[in-house]
Formats: sequence, structure tokens, C-alpha cells
Amino acid sequence: DVKVTQSSRYLVKRTGEKVFLECVQDMDHENMFWYRQDPGLGLRLIYFSYDVKMKEKGDIPEGYSVSREKKERFSLILKSASTNQTSMYLCASSATAGSSPHEQYFGPGTRLTVT
Amino acid sequence: RKEVEQDPGPFNVPEGATVAFNCTYSNSASQSFFWYRQDCRKEPKLLMSVYSSGNEDGRFTAQLNRASQYISLLIRDSKLSDSATYLCVVNPVFSGGYNKLIFGAGTRLAVHP
Repeated sequence: DVKVTQSSRYLVKRTGEKVFLECVQDMDHENMFWYRQDPGLGLRLIYFSYDVKMKEKGDIPEGYSVSREKKERFSLILKSASTNQTSMYLCASSATAGSSPHEQYFGPGTRLTVT
Repeated sequence: RKEVEQDPGPFNVPEGATVAFNCTYSNSASQSFFWYRQDCRKEPKLLMSVYSSGNEDGRFTAQLNRASQYISLLIRDSKLSDSATYLCVVNPVFSGGYNKLIFGAGTRLAVHP
């Protein structure tokens, strides 16, 4: 059974703080993704990675950076948190090949509040 | 214009009803289509893929109309456990190994006794 875990379910940070969100998957998937989900806007892709040390910008990368030093781990970094980054953050992973290459498996999400 | 558009609902239906959701997409070159389900305060999970010929999985039927660029999901004999948000998902172009997906904002379904 695929498992994607995220470091925190709930997080409260102050404006200007650095924030690390970590995601770990146990299925040896090549691809990993970070999304944010806001009411009425759906899931929006922040960054993704298709290999260790590789990263690509998604649709809304501004204010975020990522790190993928190991295949199973993908971190999202907010260098200086702002109130408009209050959101639900979802990590996902997928395989490149196999029976369901498009299926993305999601972690439980981190609800981040920036005050 | 959003790349994937859905009616947000909510659709409030009694148990046993048949309910249908539609979704439109803007990129005519889109390759693959899916429905994901997201329960309240949970992560999205793949419900079913949508093929050109249509496909059925138990009480769920998905259809694709490429000419009109819309996808539909039909749920027959609704159960209380079907209450969730249904996300329409499109793979815009073949994106190499990483299979980028575009998610609609979702349609909320509430099934009541």
C-alpha cells in the first residue's frame, strides 16, 4: 500500500518565519509534487520533481523553494512566510511507468496558518 | 478562463438518486482524464480514469466528449458514503516522466437519507 506522509498536520507560524514542510513516500516513486489547496481554487501546483536533485516550477512557485536530496523525500520551504501563504499544502507522488503512471498518491496534508 | 471548470455545487440528493457532474477543459491537446474523490478534510484519491469509449465501475460511469471538451461522471443509486467532493483532473499534454495533472476546483455532493 502506497504511503505518503507529511511532517505536520497543523502548523501555525508568524509572518517572516522560515517554514519547512517535509514529505516522505515509501513506494520508490520518481515523481513528487507540492500543491496548495484553497477554497474555490482547487489544487494548484507549486513545484514538482521527477528525479533526485531535479525540480521544476509549477504554476505558483513565487515565495516557495524545494529540495529533493533523496528519492523518497521532497521538502517545501517558505523562506519568509506571509499571510497569503495560509493554506492547505498537499504532497503527492507518482510513478513514471507501470499500470497507473498518472495516478498521484497524496499525503494527508498540512494546514498552515500564518499570523 | 480556468483550464478545468466544474460546477462547485453542492448537489444535495436523496439516497438512491442518480446524479451527474460535468466538467469542461480548455486544452484540446489534453491526453488523459480522471475523476478523483476527496472526502472532507482528507486527501484526494483516484476514483476512476476516463477513456474515450467511456467506462463503468459499479455504480459509477465516466464519459469523455473530446469534440465538446467535456467529461462527465454519473453516479447511480447514490449512497450516503458517496458524499464527497469530486475533482475533475486533466493531463494537458504528455509531460514526459512526471505526468503533470491539472485539477478542477471540485463539485461537492451531499447525499441525505
